[in-house]
Amino acid sequence: EVQLVDSGGDFVQPGGSLRLSCAASGFSFSSYAMGWVRQAPGKGLEWVSDINSVGDNPHYADSVRGRFTISRDNSKNTLYLQMHSLTVEDTARYYCARTWGGLGYFDSWGQGTLVTVSS
Amino acid sequence: DIQMTQSPSTLSASVGDRVTITCRASQSIDMLLAWYQQKPGKAPKLLIQMTSRLETGVPSGFSGSGSGTEFSLTIGSLQPDDFATYYCQQYSRYPYTFGQGTKLDIK
Repeated sequence: EVQLVDSGGDFVQPGGSLRLSCAASGFSFSSYAMGWVRQAPGKGLEWVSDINSVGDNPHYADSVRGRFTISRDNSKNTLYLQMHSLTVEDTARYYCARTWGGLGYFDSWGQGTLVTVSS
Repeated sequence: DIQMTQSPSTLSASVGDRVTITCRASQSIDMLLAWYQQKPGKAPKLLIQMTSRLETGVPSGFSGSGSGTEFSLTIGSLQPDDFATYYCQQYSRYPYTFGQGTKLDIK
């Protein structure tokens, strides 16, 4: 069974940093592209970033480019999202998700981890 | 960026009704469109990819159609479990984008 377990969300002040993790199991992690999608409280889904199976060629939403970095450690079956210069607009539940065949849609999702940016 | 516009934003319907949600792209995305269902407090669930391909386990009452810039998700006969929020997503060009969502609630 595919499992994605998101962690690392926390309460942080504006300007702060946070690193999210997503532990994968139940599938060959190194064979799949992965991504992050976020959802602000009461709002819709926003695609954030994705990365291919070998860990290069990342892509980012304009809203996070230059502040967030996606990475992965295939030896640990773990996806990361390093977030810097956080603003209140980054407050959201962050979901990691598996991309099927590198095509760009997400066929499996984690439960999400909540990031709250507030002073 | 490609803008995805869903309509309606909310839809009230009854069990047994046939409903259709529309998703319009600001430019052609060929057929590279997915639909997700999300229930309160839960992660989204993939229903359909490549416009019309149902994921394994998704009830056959769900169907998708369209091409280019106009797409739709149809639920043939609403079941109690279908009341949720639905999102479309284009994966034709980066940055990938979602529609704003359609909340389907019980009339």
